[in-house]
Amino acid sequence: GAVVSQHPSWVICKSGTSVKIECRSLDFQATTMFWYRQFPKQSLMLMATSNEGSKATYEQGVEKDKFLINHASLTLSTLTVTSAHPEDSSFYICSARDRDGLNYGYTFGSGTRLTVV
Amino acid sequence: TQLLEQSPQFLSIQEGENLTVYCNSSSVFSSLQWYRQEPGEGPVLLVTVVTGGEVKKLKRLTFQFGDARKDSSLHITAAQPGDTGLYLCAGGSYNTDKLIFGTGTRLQVFP
Repeated sequence: GAVVSQHPSWVICKSGTSVKIECRSLDFQATTMFWYRQFPKQSLMLMATSNEGSKATYEQGVEKDKFLINHASLTLSTLTVTSAHPEDSSFYICSARDRDGLNYGYTFGSGTRLTVV
Repeated sequence: TQLLEQSPQFLSIQEGENLTVYCNSSSVFSSLQWYRQEPGEGPVLLVTVVTGGEVKKLKRLTFQFGDARKDSSLHITAAQPGDTGLYLCAGGSYNTDKLIFGTGTRLQVFP
């Protein structure tokens, strides 16, 4: 079945630094990938839709200059948290849609736990 | 904005009991998916329903999509400790590829 690899699985960074999270579709091409944020004991909140070869579409209230998304190829999207602060600490999850897959094809990565100290 | 409200928010039951989780919205969805998520991991798809009134069974789990495609339910028969986790419904849009998640139901099944 479709597999989405997310890396790193966890990262600790100092306040003010930037962190890049990668999301790869391993065995299918994904023209669209999605980035979610999840706070402890809460549901997933859609941050942005990442489109291959074009600018990402951000949800209302999400700072595009804070959360930079690049989707340079059909199998890779990256989320960069710039000038991270403790309030950016969260669990970030990506997903990709395999249009040719079964069950409407949304596959999720295993998530990245970001801790900003 | 499409919102999906799940109820109950928390559920703590003994092994062997039955339970139902509800997912409601005022919006119409093209499809409705149910996921289970373990701590520190991504959500794992349980089922997708696409037709109003559709019922799908997955062993002890029964999923139903409302006739109007605005709501869904998940029923678990004879719950087991392995069913413990966060259950999430998610609705697909007719116009975009977006998947909007419900508020979540945290289930704890005690042996």
